[in-house]
Amino acid sequence: DIQMTQSPSSLSASVGDRVTITCRASLNISTYLNWYQQTPGKAPKLLIYAATNLQSGVPSRFSGSGSETDFTLAISSLQPEDLATYYCQQSYGTPYIFGQGTNLEIK
Amino acid sequence: QVQLVESGGGVVQPGRSLRLSCAASGFTFSTYGMHWVRQAPGKGLEWVALIWYDGSNKYYADSVKGRFTISRDNSKNTLYLQMDTLRAEDTAVYYCATDKGYRFGHALDYWGQGTLVTVSS
Repeated sequence: DIQMTQSPSSLSASVGDRVTITCRASLNISTYLNWYQQTPGKAPKLLIYAATNLQSGVPSRFSGSGSETDFTLAISSLQPEDLATYYCQQSYGTPYIFGQGTNLEIK
Repeated sequence: QVQLVESGGGVVQPGRSLRLSCAASGFTFSTYGMHWVRQAPGKGLEWVALIWYDGSNKYYADSVKGRFTISRDNSKNTLYLQMDTLRAEDTAVYYCATDKGYRFGHALDYWGQGTLVTVSS
């Protein structure tokens, strides 16, 4: 199975900060990498698909980059509503493994 | 608008069975692959199973293979997860989600609100 290693596991930042979260795949997954946001008590929400594509309705401060094994989710200017846990997921092949999550706190 | 509503969760004893349902509306259900994803209390997301749009192919996580069966009834716009020989470690919120498709990297783009399954004696 493809393993996904996400870092950091937790992060604290201030409103207006630029934040980055990284995800590493255990083998080349091309751009089959997706990012999700889960706010407390809610279902996950798709943010970025195929590594770099912003899902419809997602604010443009979110962006994704990377290919093959190394990927990054960036939030250009952190907002209070971005308090959430963020997950990467590979969709190159089943099982569609998720990263362990990054818990983002607002200072 | 797209709506996915899971049902069928509850408390069940170890070794027993449970069937979850996911009622879909607001899109052409029969043209989309569908997933089940679960989340144990306080833990991360775990992908469980995938079924193709026509039910012709099914894929499972190793942790549920041989015990869980994903299926769908396109005439009823409903996805199912039959869970047999349940274990305590199957305790989780179970979400159904749509597959965005090959052109969009097979991302999971719409999610239900989840249904809680508790396996306990």
